[in-house]
Amino acid sequence: DTAVSQTPKYLVTQMGNDKSIKCEQNLGHDTMYWYKQDSKKFLKIMFSYNNKELIINETVPNRFSPKSPDKAHLNLHINSLELGDSAVYFCASSPIPSYEQYFGPGTRLTVT
Amino acid sequence: AQKVTQAQTEISVVEKEDVTLDCVYETRDTTYYLFWYKQPPSGELVFLIRRNSFDEQNEISGRYSWNFQKSTSSFNFTITASQVVDSAVYFCALSERTGANNLFFGTGTRLTVIP
Repeated sequence: DTAVSQTPKYLVTQMGNDKSIKCEQNLGHDTMYWYKQDSKKFLKIMFSYNNKELIINETVPNRFSPKSPDKAHLNLHINSLELGDSAVYFCASSPIPSYEQYFGPGTRLTVT
Repeated sequence: AQKVTQAQTEISVVEKEDVTLDCVYETRDTTYYLFWYKQPPSGELVFLIRRNSFDEQNEISGRYSWNFQKSTSSFNFTITASQVVDSAVYFCALSERTGANNLFFGTGTRLTVIP
């Protein structure tokens, strides 16, 4: 029983393409997040959603857009992919903000 | 502004040795939360512990223990009798009560346990 799942696990694409990463949690949590982990392992928050409302939006390019069709899903859509977007993207969820976050397995995005 | 510092980039120990991973944080909030996560070579992020700013009691869970000291803004993590399976990158993180409550991560400490 996977708590937080992401698809795909690996994504290789060319510059300029548009791609989406899907995230689903079956924990009944109210808040979901997207993080980016760069090649140096640094983890940085990108977005979070609480009850389908965006509650933070860090200084990420507007080519990145989170989409939440329901409380259990938070997808990440990326337009016009650039080389610098290559990273591992993690989805996470928590029962309420400030509680521990449970992470998905990550999606390794490689832009060529 | 919030900040988490993990000064130890990499640590190597021989199996069965004890090891302490340091974490120093900065925050202006009086209410905040501290976390440790483990990232093994397989890549997933595993939650280890959450501590709120009002609870300075140390915690022990098996071979793991955590020392929270507000006076020095530190939240250190000790592994006793280390094992090869402990080899991973360990992240300390901070979440503030005000604002968005997202996690601010340190840069991580890569622990290698040598058999």
